[in-house]
Amino acid sequence: EAAVTQSPRNKVAVTGGKVTLSCNQTNNHNNMYWYRQDTGHGLRLIHYSYGAGSTEKGDIPDGYKASRPSQENFSLILELATPSQTSVYFCASGDWGGAGQLYFGEGSKLTVL
Amino acid sequence: AQSVTQPDARVTVSEGASLQLRCKYSYSGTPYLFWYVQYPRQGLQLLLKYYSGDPVVQGVNGFEAEFIKSNSSFHLRKASVHWSDSAVYFCAVRGGSNAKLTFGKGTKLSVKS
Repeated sequence: EAAVTQSPRNKVAVTGGKVTLSCNQTNNHNNMYWYRQDTGHGLRLIHYSYGAGSTEKGDIPDGYKASRPSQENFSLILELATPSQTSVYFCASGDWGGAGQLYFGEGSKLTVL
Repeated sequence: AQSVTQPDARVTVSEGASLQLRCKYSYSGTPYLFWYVQYPRQGLQLLLKYYSGDPVVQGVNGFEAEFIKSNSSFHLRKASVHWSDSAVYFCAVRGGSNAKLTFGKGTKLSVKS
């Protein structure tokens, strides 16, 4: 079974602080993704990666950075957190052999006060 | 650009009734299409996927979807719903070799007994 692990699962941060959300996958997938989920918006893509050393902007990258230091790890970085970044963040991994699919982590709930 | 529209934010059906959740996509080429389900406080899980071949695809737990190219639609169906089907359902599209997967806003399904 494919496994994607996110940490922390819950985080409370202060406005202006730095937040790092981490994601680890044991699937040996090339592609990894960060989405945020908000009521009324569904899942929106923040950043994604094709492999170690690569990061790509998704649909809503402003205010976020991403880092892919290895095949297994993909981090989402909020350098100056704002209350509007309060959300649930999901990491996913996948490969596109055939039609492919994404495997999701269980989510990280971030509250910025 | 690619996009997905799920016109129904909420759907309520009685247990044992049939179900259709609507999805329309926008993509100029041949899309990869997916339906995912999210149970409370969990990540997303794949229900079914389509790229080519028979336009009616079968998924897990009795779900199926039909790709209608002329209508740019990929509606999800189930003949008889169970209370455990209550969840949020997301339609998603990916285009060609691009790794970017775009989700709709989701439809929250409530099954009443």
